[in-house]
Amino acid sequence: GDSVTQMEGPVTLSEEAFLTINCTYTATGYPSLFWYVQYPGEGLQLLLKATKADDKGSNKGFEATYRKETTSFHLEKGSVQVSDSAVYFCALSDLGYQKVTFGTGTKLQVIP
Amino acid sequence: ETGVTQSPTHLIKTRGQQVTLRCSSQSGHNTVSWYQQALGQGPQFIFQYYREEENGRGNFPPRFSGLQFPNYSSELNVNALELDDSALYLCASSSSLGETQYFGPGTRLLVL
Repeated sequence: GDSVTQMEGPVTLSEEAFLTINCTYTATGYPSLFWYVQYPGEGLQLLLKATKADDKGSNKGFEATYRKETTSFHLEKGSVQVSDSAVYFCALSDLGYQKVTFGTGTKLQVIP
Repeated sequence: ETGVTQSPTHLIKTRGQQVTLRCSSQSGHNTVSWYQQALGQGPQFIFQYYREEENGRGNFPPRFSGLQFPNYSSELNVNALELDDSALYLCASSSSLGETQYFGPGTRLLVL
């Protein structure tokens, strides 16, 4: 079945550091890929998405590129802020969008 | 535009009891999905409703059941609660099948 593997956290960075959170997936067909963010005590917010190979999703300075050849969708940001501290989930959706399959999440802590 | 809302925000039940959680989908959305997020884990798909019919189900027992109403709001019912049912329950809506899912803030259920 479909699955998502993302790097374990927590990841601790200083403000203005470069962020990479690795994500790889296993799926049949050509899924859509997502990054969701969860702030403490809150639900999930869609951060960005990509629906086909070589698409780049971007939002709020975050970027991720759909790499079919490496089955990856790594999240990057050039300069993190304290307000980016949250848990980040990589996810995929099957062709019919019947369900979203999530990774286990990576906690990011940004210190001033 | 109102986003996805869920009620109640928190709930405490005892083992063996029954619980009903509610979700109002985002305006214009006719598809609702429910997820269970255990502490420190990614959300797991429970089931999806499209135009009042169940459209798919994850690996959850029959004591997890649901409904979708003509206004596309939805309920998740769990019978014979077990301690392991303690989790954050998330509802997500989308404008139709095949569209991006947007999540509500969740209901945190504690079973004692």
